[in-house]
Amino acid sequence: DAGVIQSPRHEVTEMGQEVTLRCKPISGHNSLFWYRQTMMRGLELLIYFNNNVPIDDSGMPEDRFSAKMPNASFSTLKIQPSEPRDSAVYFCASTAGGLRGNIQYFGAGTRLSVL
Amino acid sequence: GENVEQHPSTLSVQEGDSAVIKCTYSDSASNYFPWYKQELGKRPQLIIDIRSNVGEKKDQRIAVTLNKTAKHFSLHITETQPEDSAVYFCAASGRNRDDKIIFGKGTRLHILP
Repeated sequence: DAGVIQSPRHEVTEMGQEVTLRCKPISGHNSLFWYRQTMMRGLELLIYFNNNVPIDDSGMPEDRFSAKMPNASFSTLKIQPSEPRDSAVYFCASTAGGLRGNIQYFGAGTRLSVL
Repeated sequence: GENVEQHPSTLSVQEGDSAVIKCTYSDSASNYFPWYKQELGKRPQLIIDIRSNVGEKKDQRIAVTLNKTAKHFSLHITETQPEDSAVYFCAASGRNRDDKIIFGKGTRLHILP
Protein backbone atom coordinates (compact mmCIF):
# COMPACT_ATOMS: atom_id res chain seq x y z
CA ASP A 1 0.00 0.00 0.00
CA ALA A 2 1.23 3.53 -0.76
CA GLY A 3 0.23 4.77 2.67
CA VAL A 4 -1.83 7.86 3.38
CA ILE A 5 -1.62 10.23 0.44
CA GLN A 6 -2.06 13.96 0.80
CA SER A 7 -2.15 16.65 -1.84
CA PRO A 8 -0.87 19.15 -2.50
CA ARG A 9 2.44 18.90 -0.61
CA HIS A 10 2.84 22.66 -0.62
CA GLU A 11 0.29 25.39 -1.07
CA VAL A 12 0.94 29.11 -1.21
CA THR A 13 -2.09 31.35 -1.44
CA GLU A 14 -3.19 34.87 -0.73
CA MET A 15 -5.36 35.90 2.16
CA GLY A 16 -9.03 35.55 1.34
CA GLN A 17 -8.62 32.71 -1.13
CA GLU A 18 -10.22 29.29 -0.74
CA VAL A 19 -7.87 26.42 0.03
CA THR A 20 -8.72 22.73 -0.36
CA LEU A 21 -6.51 20.02 1.08
CA ARG A 22 -7.00 16.42 0.05
CA CYS A 23 -6.38 13.06 1.68
CA LYS A 24 -6.59 9.45 0.60
CA PRO A 25 -6.44 7.08 3.59
CA ILE A 26 -4.94 3.61 3.54
CA SER A 27 -7.33 1.20 1.89
CA GLY A 28 -9.41 -0.66 4.45
CA HIS A 29 -8.87 1.85 7.24
CA ASN A 30 -12.07 3.02 8.85
CA SER A 31 -11.05 6.20 10.72
CA LEU A 32 -9.53 9.38 9.32
CA PHE A 33 -8.07 12.30 11.26
CA TRP A 34 -7.09 15.84 10.25
CA TYR A 35 -4.38 17.61 12.29
CA ARG A 36 -2.77 21.03 12.16
CA GLN A 37 0.83 21.46 13.32
CA THR A 38 2.48 24.73 14.29
CA MET A 39 5.47 25.54 16.47
CA MET A 40 3.31 27.37 18.98
CA ARG A 41 0.40 24.94 19.33
CA GLY A 42 1.97 21.60 18.46
CA LEU A 43 -0.13 18.88 16.84
CA GLU A 44 -3.83 19.77 17.11
CA LEU A 45 -6.66 17.44 16.16
CA LEU A 46 -9.14 19.33 13.98
CA ILE A 47 -11.72 16.66 13.14
CA TYR A 48 -12.03 12.92 12.75
CA PHE A 49 -14.30 10.56 10.87
CA ASN A 50 -15.27 6.98 11.53
CA ASN A 51 -16.77 5.04 8.61
CA ASN A 52 -17.05 8.36 6.72
CA VAL A 53 -19.13 9.98 9.49
CA PRO A 54 -17.74 13.02 11.36
CA ILE A 55 -17.42 12.01 15.01
CA ASP A 56 -15.71 14.96 16.67
CA ASP A 57 -15.16 18.36 15.08
CA SER A 58 -14.54 20.24 18.32
CA GLY A 59 -11.03 21.09 17.18
CA MET A 60 -12.11 22.95 14.06
CA PRO A 61 -11.04 26.52 14.84
CA GLU A 62 -13.97 28.40 13.29
CA ASP A 63 -16.60 28.36 10.59
CA ARG A 64 -14.01 29.09 7.93
CA PHE A 65 -12.88 25.46 8.26
CA SER A 66 -14.93 22.57 6.93
CA ALA A 67 -14.19 18.92 6.22
CA LYS A 68 -15.93 16.21 4.26
CA MET A 69 -15.49 12.51 3.66
CA PRO A 70 -17.80 11.56 0.77
CA ASN A 71 -16.48 7.98 0.63
CA ALA A 72 -14.04 5.64 2.34
CA SER A 73 -11.13 6.63 0.11
CA PHE A 74 -11.25 10.42 0.06
CA SER A 75 -11.50 13.38 2.40
CA THR A 76 -11.10 17.13 2.02
CA LEU A 77 -10.34 19.95 4.42
CA LYS A 78 -11.40 23.36 3.15
CA ILE A 79 -10.53 26.80 4.43
CA GLN A 80 -12.63 29.67 3.10
CA PRO A 81 -11.58 32.43 3.34
CA SER A 82 -7.98 31.72 4.30
CA GLU A 83 -6.03 33.98 6.67
CA PRO A 84 -2.27 34.28 7.39
CA ARG A 85 -2.76 32.64 10.80
CA ASP A 86 -3.88 29.47 9.02
CA SER A 87 -0.32 28.95 7.84
CA ALA A 88 0.77 25.56 9.19
CA VAL A 89 1.44 21.97 8.20
CA TYR A 90 -1.78 19.99 7.88
CA PHE A 91 -1.57 16.24 8.38
CA CYS A 92 -4.08 13.56 7.59
CA ALA A 93 -3.88 10.19 9.36
CA SER A 94 -5.87 6.97 9.21
CA THR A 95 -6.34 3.98 11.49
CA ALA A 96 -7.41 0.45 10.72
CA GLY A 97 -9.67 -0.43 13.63
CA GLY A 98 -9.61 -3.90 15.13
CA LEU A 99 -6.85 -5.25 17.38
CA ARG A 100 -4.26 -2.65 16.27
CA GLY A 101 -6.87 -0.01 15.54
CA ASN A 102 -5.29 2.85 17.41
CA ILE A 103 -2.09 3.07 15.36
CA GLN A 104 -2.27 6.25 13.32
CA TYR A 105 -0.54 6.32 9.95
CA PHE A 106 0.22 9.86 8.86
CA GLY A 107 0.45 11.30 5.40
CA ALA A 108 3.39 13.44 4.39
CA GLY A 109 1.46 16.62 5.18
CA THR A 110 0.52 19.77 3.30
CA ARG A 111 2.56 22.87 4.11
CA LEU A 112 0.19 25.82 3.75
CA SER A 113 1.41 29.40 3.52
CA VAL A 114 -1.18 32.16 3.45
CA LEU A 115 0.31 35.50 2.45
CA GLY B 1 -11.83 15.55 27.83
CA GLU B 2 -8.35 14.08 27.88
CA ASN B 3 -5.35 16.38 28.43
CA VAL B 4 -1.76 15.21 27.93
CA GLU B 5 1.17 17.14 29.41
CA GLN B 6 4.70 16.41 28.21
CA HIS B 7 8.06 17.40 29.69
CA PRO B 8 10.63 18.63 28.93
CA SER B 9 9.92 20.63 25.79
CA THR B 10 13.60 20.46 24.82
CA LEU B 11 16.24 17.94 25.84
CA SER B 12 19.92 17.76 24.97
CA VAL B 13 21.96 14.66 25.82
CA GLN B 14 25.46 13.53 24.98
CA GLU B 15 25.68 10.76 22.42
CA GLY B 16 25.70 7.45 24.23
CA ASP B 17 23.83 8.74 27.27
CA SER B 18 20.18 8.01 28.08
CA ALA B 19 17.19 10.27 27.47
CA VAL B 20 13.92 10.27 29.40
CA ILE B 21 10.72 12.03 28.38
CA LYS B 22 7.75 12.13 30.75
CA CYS B 23 4.02 12.57 30.16
CA THR B 24 0.94 12.79 32.34
CA TYR B 25 -2.67 12.35 31.32
CA SER B 26 -5.94 13.35 32.93
CA ASP B 27 -8.58 10.79 31.86
CA SER B 28 -8.42 7.62 33.93
CA ALA B 29 -10.38 5.81 31.17
CA SER B 30 -7.46 6.17 28.75
CA ASN B 31 -5.82 2.82 28.13
CA TYR B 32 -3.59 3.20 25.08
CA PHE B 33 -0.37 5.24 25.11
CA PRO B 34 1.64 5.54 21.90
CA TRP B 35 4.85 7.43 21.25
CA TYR B 36 5.57 9.04 17.89
CA LYS B 37 8.85 10.30 16.48
CA GLN B 38 8.95 13.14 13.98
CA GLU B 39 12.18 13.88 12.16
CA LEU B 40 12.70 17.32 10.70
CA GLY B 41 10.38 17.90 7.76
CA LYS B 42 8.87 14.43 8.02
CA ARG B 43 5.63 12.93 9.24
CA PRO B 44 5.12 11.55 12.79
CA GLN B 45 5.67 7.81 12.96
CA LEU B 46 4.86 5.36 15.73
CA ILE B 47 7.93 4.03 17.52
CA ILE B 48 6.41 2.19 20.48
CA ASP B 49 3.09 1.89 22.29
CA ILE B 50 1.78 0.45 25.52
CA ARG B 51 -1.64 -0.60 26.69
CA SER B 52 -2.88 -0.30 30.24
CA ASN B 53 -2.64 -3.99 31.01
CA VAL B 54 1.17 -3.82 31.04
CA GLY B 55 3.57 -1.64 33.04
CA GLU B 56 6.63 -1.70 30.80
CA LYS B 57 7.52 -2.54 27.24
CA LYS B 58 10.93 -2.63 25.54
CA ASP B 59 12.06 -2.61 21.94
CA GLN B 60 15.83 -2.62 21.59
CA ARG B 61 17.08 0.76 22.90
CA ILE B 62 13.60 2.12 23.54
CA ALA B 63 11.38 1.40 26.53
CA VAL B 64 8.12 2.82 27.79
CA THR B 65 6.82 2.61 31.36
CA LEU B 66 3.27 3.25 32.55
CA ASN B 67 1.97 4.07 36.01
CA LYS B 68 -1.83 4.03 35.82
CA THR B 69 -2.29 4.98 39.45
CA ALA B 70 -0.30 8.15 39.02
CA LYS B 71 -1.49 8.62 35.40
CA HIS B 72 1.95 9.08 33.97
CA PHE B 73 4.10 7.31 31.41
CA SER B 74 7.65 7.76 30.20
CA LEU B 75 9.87 7.06 27.21
CA HIS B 76 13.42 5.91 27.82
CA ILE B 77 16.05 5.85 25.09
CA THR B 78 19.37 4.24 26.01
CA GLU B 79 22.75 4.54 24.23
CA THR B 80 21.48 7.50 22.24
CA GLN B 81 22.71 7.96 18.68
CA PRO B 82 22.68 10.95 16.30
CA GLU B 83 19.68 9.52 14.43
CA ASP B 84 17.64 9.76 17.64
CA SER B 85 17.57 13.56 17.20
CA ALA B 86 13.91 14.39 16.49
CA VAL B 87 10.70 15.59 18.11
CA TYR B 88 8.96 12.95 20.21
CA PHE B 89 5.24 13.05 20.97
CA CYS B 90 3.45 11.09 23.64
CA ALA B 91 -0.29 10.49 23.31
CA ALA B 92 -3.24 8.93 25.10
CA SER B 93 -6.38 7.31 23.81
CA GLY B 94 -9.54 5.81 25.22
CA ARG B 95 -10.91 2.32 25.47
CA ASN B 96 -12.73 2.40 22.12
CA ARG B 97 -10.33 1.41 19.35
CA ASP B 98 -11.83 4.07 17.11
CA ASP B 99 -11.23 6.81 19.67
CA LYS B 100 -9.19 9.86 18.86
CA ILE B 101 -5.77 10.13 20.43
CA ILE B 102 -4.63 13.27 22.21
CA PHE B 103 -1.01 14.30 21.69
CA GLY B 104 1.35 16.05 24.07
CA LYS B 105 3.11 19.19 22.82
CA GLY B 106 6.29 17.30 21.94
CA THR B 107 9.89 17.12 23.13
CA ARG B 108 12.70 18.21 20.84
CA LEU B 109 15.61 15.84 21.51
CA HIS B 110 19.12 16.91 20.52
CA ILE B 111 21.90 14.34 20.57
CA LEU B 112 25.22 16.12 21.09
CA PRO B 113 28.41 14.70 19.51
